[in-house]
Amino acid sequence: GIQVEQSPPDLILQEGANSTLRCNFSDSVNNLQWFHQNPWGQLINLFYIPSGTKQNGRLSATTVATERYSLLYISSSQTTDSGVYFCAVGSSGNTPLVFGKGTRLSVIA
Amino acid sequence: KAGVTQTPRYLIKTRGQQVTLSCSPISGHRSVSWYQQTPGQGLQFLFEYFSETQRNKGNFPGRFSGRQFSNSRSEMNVSTLELGDSALYLCASSWDSHEAFFGQGTRLTVV
Repeated sequence: GIQVEQSPPDLILQEGANSTLRCNFSDSVNNLQWFHQNPWGQLINLFYIPSGTKQNGRLSATTVATERYSLLYISSSQTTDSGVYFCAVGSSGNTPLVFGKGTRLSVIA
Repeated sequence: KAGVTQTPRYLIKTRGQQVTLSCSPISGHRSVSWYQQTPGQGLQFLFEYFSETQRNKGNFPGRFSGRQFSNSRSEMNVSTLELGDSALYLCASSWDSHEAFFGQGTRLTVV
């Protein structure tokens, strides 16, 4: 099955800094989502982005499907950005989402 | 529009018991998927139901089962609970495998 790798596994930032999270996948995809898991465990949708670029406030994402990677950019980070960020992909048809192991982000005031 | 609702939020069970978890999807969504999250294994796919039929199944033992009702609500059942079944169980709904939306999860502790 499709493999998903996220990097870095852990990231510590000072408040106000920018960061880039990466998601590599091993096969073509028709679904790619970025999530932020809050302290209570819920996965919050950030982007649905099987290809192209999207922006939402301080967050933006780019997926280059032909090169099999996606990037999540966080600018001017805040302590509330702390948590685990997951990339999940679906390879074709109705196949279920496969998750990466996540990037744990800690933003320090 | 209401989100995905999972009940109960927390559950403590004893080894050998069985448990049923419930998931109500977003109105209009016919696909419901279940995932197990543990510190060691991460997020793993259990199964997906679409229009009351199991469409995909992950690599879990037969003790894990599920079903979907005509109103798209879904339940998953775990029989003969083991300590290793302690996990956060997440349900997601989508409109036919497009963008998935997750519920708040059910945290199961087996003692």
